[in-house]
Amino acid sequence: DGGITQSPKYLFRKEGQNVTLSCEQNLNHDAMYWYRQDPGQGLRLIYYSQIVNDFQKGDIAEGYSVSREKKESFPLTVTSAQKNPTAFYLCASSILAGGRDTQYFGPGTRLTVL
Amino acid sequence: AQSVAQPEDQVNVAEGNPLTVKCTYSVSGNPYLFWYVQYPNRGLQFLLKYITGDNLVKGSYGFEAEFNKSQTSFHLKKPSALVSDSALYFCAVRDTPGNTGKLIFGQGTTLQVKP
Repeated sequence: DGGITQSPKYLFRKEGQNVTLSCEQNLNHDAMYWYRQDPGQGLRLIYYSQIVNDFQKGDIAEGYSVSREKKESFPLTVTSAQKNPTAFYLCASSILAGGRDTQYFGPGTRLTVL
Repeated sequence: AQSVAQPEDQVNVAEGNPLTVKCTYSVSGNPYLFWYVQYPNRGLQFLLKYITGDNLVKGSYGFEAEFNKSQTSFHLKKPSALVSDSALYFCAVRDTPGNTGKLIFGQGTTLQVKP
């Protein structure tokens, strides 16, 4: 977990609300990622960014949005359009996207819809 | 399509016995393979990876994994299990060519080590 911080650790959302999950890294990594984890389903990629001011959709981007204005920050917004947002959200980063670089993960944010 | 399979939802071993957590993969090019461990309500911790070279890869906490190209497998092993090894283990693959950095994860295997 070292070098990547996520906040808050726990987040509760009411129906119809947008919420933003924070991810910050001090590893000087170019690439950053957001994954969603559900029980028994492994991790699924939501969005990723290879460089500042650029990002791409992953496998399950609907109902989510991101920004990458700074190299060290990659916040994720869970919008009201996301029908089933209750999950554990993990942010990761790597030196570069692709190739042999290892992705390192933050401690996660658990989002619960009330 | 790229995929990873972890055929066992749970593996039970006694402390001190060897353990194996299985992983098979399917990619179009040469695979880059990774193992991660997750403790409850925590992020994933990197254990080891195979990129190229020696088929036996050694990683953190005494874990190792063997890459077998003919069987498209990358099983995680440890000679002597500890109770503290009890956790959720994920195998992941990144295919080549492809420059997105996208990792494909297996569904995870829960390892239970009993004293």
